[in-house]
Amino acid sequence: NFMLTQPHSVSESPGKTVTISCNRSSGYIARNYVQWYQQRPGSPPTTVIYEDTQRPSGVSDRFSGSIDRSSNSASLTISGLKTEDEADYYCQSDDDNSHVVFGGGTKLTVL
Amino acid sequence: QVQLQESGPGLVKPSETLSLTCVVSGFSIRSGYYWGWARQPPGKGLEWIGSIYQSGSTYYNPTLKSRIIMSVDTSKNHFSLRLNSVTAADTAVYYCARRAVVGAHINTWGQGTLVTVSS
Repeated sequence: NFMLTQPHSVSESPGKTVTISCNRSSGYIARNYVQWYQQRPGSPPTTVIYEDTQRPSGVSDRFSGSIDRSSNSASLTISGLKTEDEADYYCQSDDDNSHVVFGGGTKLTVL
Repeated sequence: QVQLQESGPGLVKPSETLSLTCVVSGFSIRSGYYWGWARQPPGKGLEWIGSIYQSGSTYYNPTLKSRIIMSVDTSKNHFSLRLNSVTAADTAVYYCARRAVVGAHINTWGQGTLVTVSS
């Protein structure tokens, strides 16, 4: 099976843009869709991006997702950072046997 | 609106079996999704445990496969998890969830239930 590797933490100032990467260790990143979840303490995850680039209804257009085939990675970009964006973010995909894989999570600090 | 609610003991003794049930409301469990479980140890990341389809087909995390049994009861619109031979390392918040068949998007989560393994 493959692994999804994320930076442990990132920090940025309000109003700026931050990008969180998610590197797939083996197999093509584009072969299976990637999702991104936001999780605040004490709450279950919520989707901010699904199927690589799609944004659920109600999620701000400040959130965007992309795939980079050259680095075999997915990325989550948050623009116009707000203090309310401070949370943990997880990427997720699956393999050809329907096994779900999560990245290790990235703690976003908005300072 | 679909809702998922976990239930089960909050404390399990080492070497015993952890049993959880997830009741699905507002949506039929027969309607073409995978139903699954994830867990999150205190202060750590998410781990997917496994999925089950309405037919009973299962897809278990290879690292946990030898200790897991998942089942689905379409008449009661709920599904269940059994994890045997638990240790302190199994202490976690356990979430039930609904995931898409194509694309693996986990689009609905329960609120989670903390299970502590301790004597």
